[in-house]
Amino acid sequence: SQQGEEDPQALSIQEGENATMNCSYKTSINNLQWYRQNSGRGLVHLILIRSNEREKHSGRLRVTLDTSKKSSSLLITASRAADTASYFCAPPYTGANSKLTFGKGITLSVRP
Amino acid sequence: EPEVTQTPSHQVTQMGQEVILRCVPISNHLYFYWYRQILGQKVEFLVSFYNNEISEKSEIFDDQFSVERPDGSNFTLKIRSTKLEDSAMYFCASKGPGGGVTQETQYFGPGTRLLVL
Repeated sequence: SQQGEEDPQALSIQEGENATMNCSYKTSINNLQWYRQNSGRGLVHLILIRSNEREKHSGRLRVTLDTSKKSSSLLITASRAADTASYFCAPPYTGANSKLTFGKGITLSVRP
Repeated sequence: EPEVTQTPSHQVTQMGQEVILRCVPISNHLYFYWYRQILGQKVEFLVSFYNNEISEKSEIFDDQFSVERPDGSNFTLKIRSTKLEDSAMYFCASKGPGGGVTQETQYFGPGTRLLVL
């Protein structure tokens, strides 16, 4: 299975702190995508990092990818209460029509 | 910014009834997907659709399920005879073309919460 496995399962931090979330996967990828899901809501695409990229930034988000270790990390800097959500990494199966498989995600709680 | 839309946002139905969930993907996208999430569980892939045919389907997507793109804008998921275990949030997603990140990213709709009684 190409499912991403996120770690830790739950993370609780104080507003203003940084949150680091990790993801591991099993087989070769062309890219890896991170999504956020607020409770009971839809999945919001956060960032995509390609297999030939090592690091990518988007606002307060920083994603790294280590293809040799088959792992990725998502860093949220200066967290806000509004960042409270579940976060998922999704490594697509290769191919243009690639489905995404999701793990259990990381539940991030940011305390005001 | 273009977005995927889904209707209805909530649907309650009786077991055995047919339901149709509707999605309007982003207008120039070519790849379409349905996923579902049972309450408290993972998001699961159901089916992918490209060039007016199913590209891949999961074990969940049995004969009770069907998808259709009846016109140039809508993408529908039909469940012919709903079961209690079909209760879930159903997400539509679409992807590409466009090149680069846009081509590779799947954009999800807000979901339809289906409750089968």
